[in-house]
Amino acid sequence: AQSVTQLDSQVPVFEEAPVELRCNYSSSVSVYLFWYVQYPNQGLQLLLKYLSGSTLVKGINGFEAEFNKSQTSFHLRKPSVHISDTAEYFCAVSFSGGYNKLIFGAGTRLAVHP
Amino acid sequence: GAVVSQHPSRVICKSGTSVKIECRSLDFQATTMFWYRQFPKQSLMLMATSNEGSKATYEQGVEKDKFLINHASLTLSTLTVTSAHPEDSSFYICSAQGGTLGTDTQYFGPGTRLTVL
Repeated sequence: AQSVTQLDSQVPVFEEAPVELRCNYSSSVSVYLFWYVQYPNQGLQLLLKYLSGSTLVKGINGFEAEFNKSQTSFHLRKPSVHISDTAEYFCAVSFSGGYNKLIFGAGTRLAVHP
Repeated sequence: GAVVSQHPSRVICKSGTSVKIECRSLDFQATTMFWYRQFPKQSLMLMATSNEGSKATYEQGVEKDKFLINHASLTLSTLTVTSAHPEDSSFYICSAQGGTLGTDTQYFGPGTRLTVL
């Protein structure tokens, strides 16, 4: 069975500092990997996704993530965060091929302080 | 592209009444729509998957008769919470995929906050 683990429930960071939000998954088959961001009282916005090809994926708002198959990880990074990046971040996985359920991690609350 | 809307954004109702939530894909045809429920400070829980023109597939533990899902067209799915009770109060989010955007990514609506008094 597939599962997603977000290792940090909260990540506090100062403005302009780099940040990494960790995500590990388990699956016996090929997967698609996603990062979504949720601002308070809003739906989810797709930040980036890995389907195949280059393991380094660039997304919106300066975020990027690297797929590491051997470590079954898909960590999200940003070199310099802004106050506006304060939000909940969800890592998700689905089976590759066809329409698929998304399995979500528990979420990581990124709090950017001035 | 990939805009999904939900209506209403907030609804307050009395216990025992039914509430309908609409989910629309505005700029693509959604062959599949998903309904999620999210409790405060928690992750999303998939409730059901619906394909246009077919009956929805419900996740284990989700009451089919309580949460009625209809996906009558390629741009509209509805979730009706029947005989709502305070424990049904939650944030309901839909997502959609399909059409020209393919089937590998879900695009989410802004959510509907349901409060049952």
